[in-house]
Amino acid sequence: EIVLTQSPGTLSLSPGQRATLSCRASQSVSSSYLAWYQQKRGQAPRLLIYGASRRATGISDRFSGSGSGTDFTLTINGLEPEDFAVYYCQQYGNSPFTFGPGTKVDMK
Amino acid sequence: QVQLVESGGGVVQPGRSLRLSCAASGFIFSSYAVHWVRQAPGKGLEWVAVISDDGHQKFYADSVKGRFTISRDNSKNMVYLQMNSLRGEDTAVYFCGRDISITAVQASGEKNYFYYGMDVWGLGTTVTVSS
Repeated sequence: EIVLTQSPGTLSLSPGQRATLSCRASQSVSSSYLAWYQQKRGQAPRLLIYGASRRATGISDRFSGSGSGTDFTLTINGLEPEDFAVYYCQQYGNSPFTFGPGTKVDMK
Repeated sequence: QVQLVESGGGVVQPGRSLRLSCAASGFIFSSYAVHWVRQAPGKGLEWVAVISDDGHQKFYADSVKGRFTISRDNSKNMVYLQMNSLRGEDTAVYFCGRDISITAVQASGEKNYFYYGMDVWGLGTTVTVSS
């Protein structure tokens, strides 16, 4: 099983700042099979990025993904109030298709 | 519009069974794989199972393998999760999610299934396992 580790656990930032979230895999994941989700309290997750760097339909270009192998990054430029949420990475390279534990981005 | 709606959740005693349903509408259901994902109270997301667009490929999390079965009926635009031998740790909100999947058919007729991410989610149904 591929274990995903996300850091930091919590990121405290102000609106307008840049958020940099890390997702590290216990073994190499093809970049085609790494996705990022946003989840707000009481809501279903929302797909932001798939294929490590491809924005899903309707996702703002403030969100960008990068990385390969075992290290992946989600960057949010110019945080908006609606961006404060929990972010999860997930790998689809090998079953089971594991999620990381999440990074909470909260308002400083 | 494109949507998924889960149903079938409830309170059930340990060791008993429950079947969840996921109803799809607004898109060509038979062209997409579907996952089940769960979230225990106050916890993160846990992937549970996936079924390919044609129902021929299924994968499960180790925590549910042998107890849960995913299936689909493309004539009814439905996906199901049969949950047997339920435990307290199965208590969670269960979401179904549509995958932006691709099925490639080789010249031999063999199929390869590729999964990339869940772009449509339901609102979830709550399962509570308690005596």
